[in-house]
Amino acid sequence: NAGVTQTPKFRVLKTGQSMTLLCAQDMNHEYMYWYRQDPGMGLRLIHYSVGEGTTAKGEVPDGYNVSRLKKQNFLLGLESAAPSQTSVYFCASRSSGEQFFGPGTRLTVL
Amino acid sequence: GQQLNQSPQSMFIQEGEDVSMNCTSSSIFNTWLWYKQDPGEGPVLLIALYKAGELTSNGRLTAQFGITRKDSFLNISASIPSDVGIYFCAGHAGNNRKLIWGLGTSLAVNP
Repeated sequence: NAGVTQTPKFRVLKTGQSMTLLCAQDMNHEYMYWYRQDPGMGLRLIHYSVGEGTTAKGEVPDGYNVSRLKKQNFLLGLESAAPSQTSVYFCASRSSGEQFFGPGTRLTVL
Repeated sequence: GQQLNQSPQSMFIQEGEDVSMNCTSSSIFNTWLWYKQDPGEGPVLLIALYKAGELTSNGRLTAQFGITRKDSFLNISASIPSDVGIYFCAGHAGNNRKLIWGLGTSLAVNP
């Protein structure tokens, strides 16, 4: 099993550009999550999904959208990137109680 | 949003020393989890705790779910250089859909 994978690993955007981050899991987990991690801020939840076709807002959802069209995939979109969205983005999926994380996407917005 | 109080914020120790870190919450938790994050990687689960009073070991790591359900600690015995990283506590409160996270303990080990 590959576990949780994320693409791309790195990306540089200009202010105003859009992009989509892809998260895929092969563990048949119902729950999936998107976090951002900034220095000194720990992990902050952006959006999450409790199953295919469902999404919900987390702690810092503004400027992001998500979709869960297939159970194994959870997409995070930035419609108009801003420098404040420079961060490392982690996807996670969940079994009973534990969340399993992907390797992260490092995004820089200039 | 709600966060856990994790301490200490950072530690610098000598190889072979034991390490202890803890997390406290103002509310009751149903689950406590301890993760380690290496530089450039995602967090990796070390130990999961599901019952008040539970004491669980994973090699040189030991963690306990506090009897009040509002705290947890993680101990590392006989530290080695590869223990370097950031350790996070996390837990589920009443709503089990989202994890509440601590801000992490950064551990440095001097060989």
